[in-house]
This record gives sequence, structure tokens and C-alpha cells, in this order.
Amino acid sequence: GAVVSQHPSRVICKSGTSVKIECRSLDFQATTMFWYRQFPKQSLMLMATSNEGSKATYEQGVEKDKFLINHASLTLSTLTVTSAHPEDSSFYICSASGQSSYNEQFFGPGTRLTVL
Amino acid sequence: GQNIDQPTEMTATEGAIVQINCTYQTSGFNGLFWYQQHAGEAPTFLSYNVLDGLEEKGRFSSFLSRSKGYSYLLLKELQMKDSASYLCAVVDSNYQLIWGAGTKLIIKP
Repeated sequence: GAVVSQHPSRVICKSGTSVKIECRSLDFQATTMFWYRQFPKQSLMLMATSNEGSKATYEQGVEKDKFLINHASLTLSTLTVTSAHPEDSSFYICSASGQSSYNEQFFGPGTRLTVL
Repeated sequence: GQNIDQPTEMTATEGAIVQINCTYQTSGFNGLFWYQQHAGEAPTFLSYNVLDGLEEKGRFSSFLSRSKGYSYLLLKELQMKDSASYLCAVVDSNYQLIWGAGTKLIIKP
């Protein structure tokens, strides 16, 4: 149990376009979902935390108008990178919690975004 | 501020034992996680400690001392597939997960 999927796994886009990444908890209801970004050889950086039906809480330095997060249901959250630029190229990972008693986060497989 | 320290990189030999340390200074403590992350993949859960002591799970064990703000992950009978980054993460008083930078473990034959 506790499987999280992410789609797409890899995306290449032109500068200025928008990209949507989906995160789904397949076999449990995720009360909270998290979006991370990871640059090469660096640790995970939390971008935002979202609870179903409410606005996401963004970490300091993360532009909420550029990284739109929607958590429409207990099994789906989306991250939209608007007007993407090459510096947005990164590995984006979502995670979900709600399955275990100690709020363990279950990670999706990640999305590799390359902006040309 | 909140801080988690772990070595940047470690090297060990196949079949040996390695201990990866993690020290933390956080606002409150509600548990400590260890995750494994292979290159280009998402992290996978290894262990969770909230009480002092050693938790053993197969070849992997995790230890916690809350009074010292210290944990370690012990890997026995190392295999080449254990080459990965190992992330220490602490749950603070607000139940936020604070991540360490990770330790890259290189296993040599």
C-alpha cells in the first residue's frame, strides 16, 4: 500500500510555456501533499504544503503565482509551473501523508523538467 | 535556526559495515526519518525513530539519542545496490519535516 504516482515522469518544454505535473495517491487518502524541488547533487527543497480543499502554504522564496498548486481531492494534487524558464529546470517530487500514524511521507517517482 | 548535519560523502567496501551520522538542532522534536535516494529517483522510506534506542530492520538499523540530538543509520553486509544518498529528516514542533543535505554513500568492490 501507500503508492504515490506522478505524471509526467519527464517533460521538455520551450521557455515561456506552462507545465502541469500531477501527483496522485493511488491507494490511500492523502490529507496533506508536499511539493519538493531538487537540483543536482543537492537535497530536497520543500516548495509548498497543501491540504485538500484549502490554499497551499508556500515556503519562503517560492513564488506562488509562478508555481500554482491545486489540491482538489484527497488523492490528487497538481503543480503548474507557469511561464517556465531554463532556471526552472529541476527534479520535482511530490509526496503525500495520511497513511501512517506518524505522518510518514510517501514519495512519487518525480518529474524531470527541462526548459529549453 | 534549524540545522541538520550529516557527512557529505562516505566510501565503504562491499560486505563491510558503515555508520552514517546525523546531528540536529531543531525547534522541538517529533521524530526522525531516514530515507534512501538513488540517483535520479525519489526517496524511499527506511526508518522512523521517535524514542531513544536502536531500531533494527534487516541489514539496516537506526539509532536515536534525543538528549544528544543525534542519530545514526547503520548498514551491514553492504551490497553494491546500497550505493545511494541517505537523507536524515527531523519532524519539528510544527510537524514540519526538516531535511538534511544527504550523505552520498559509495560502495567499492
